[in-house]
Amino acid sequence: AQSVTQLGSHVSVSEGALVLLRCNYSSSVPPYLFWYVQYPNQGLQLLLKYTSAATLVKGINGFEAEFKKSETSFHLTKPSAHMSDAAEYFCAVTGGSEKLVFGKGTKLTVNP
Amino acid sequence: DGGITQSPKYLFRKEGQNVTLSCEQNLNHDAMYWYRQDPGQGLRLIYYSQIVNDFQKGDIAEGYSVSREKKESFPLTVTSAQKNPTAFYLCASSILAGVQETQYFGPGTRLLVL
Repeated sequence: AQSVTQLGSHVSVSEGALVLLRCNYSSSVPPYLFWYVQYPNQGLQLLLKYTSAATLVKGINGFEAEFKKSETSFHLTKPSAHMSDAAEYFCAVTGGSEKLVFGKGTKLTVNP
Repeated sequence: DGGITQSPKYLFRKEGQNVTLSCEQNLNHDAMYWYRQDPGQGLRLIYYSQIVNDFQKGDIAEGYSVSREKKESFPLTVTSAQKNPTAFYLCASSILAGVQETQYFGPGTRLLVL
């Protein structure tokens, strides 16, 4: 069975600072990994996904994530935070089954 | 514009009442999903359907029921057996049910108990 752990339920950064949201996964088979963003009272929007084509995945809004098999990690980064990045971010994994397993989410606050 | 619509945006349930949440997609996707979201809990899968007239239980199916009579529609009924229904409900769809398929989400329905 797959599982996802997102370290830090809340992360706070200053505008213009690096954003780093951590995600570690567990999977007995090669995983497919996703990052989604959710703005308040809205649905989820896909930021990026890893499907084994390349370990560094670039997504929308300047976000990227690097798949590190040795560390079972798929951390999300953005070089410079913007106020509009304030939202909740979810990491998710599939692998042995088509079910998408989500982490508990990390709420990002961006301070002016 | 293609997408997923959920209605209503807010829904109130009285004790002992069944309520139905609507989910419609015009993306021509085969697979559809229902998730429940509680604060700090992430998303949990209630039911999913890979094709018309077929559906499977997810991780928290008790107290819920679904139907898939049309490709574009996947309504969720929250029955009176669901004792703690207050949550944000999200519907999603994907082209196929597969491990690398992207799921696209609707805007959600917030269910509150009176």
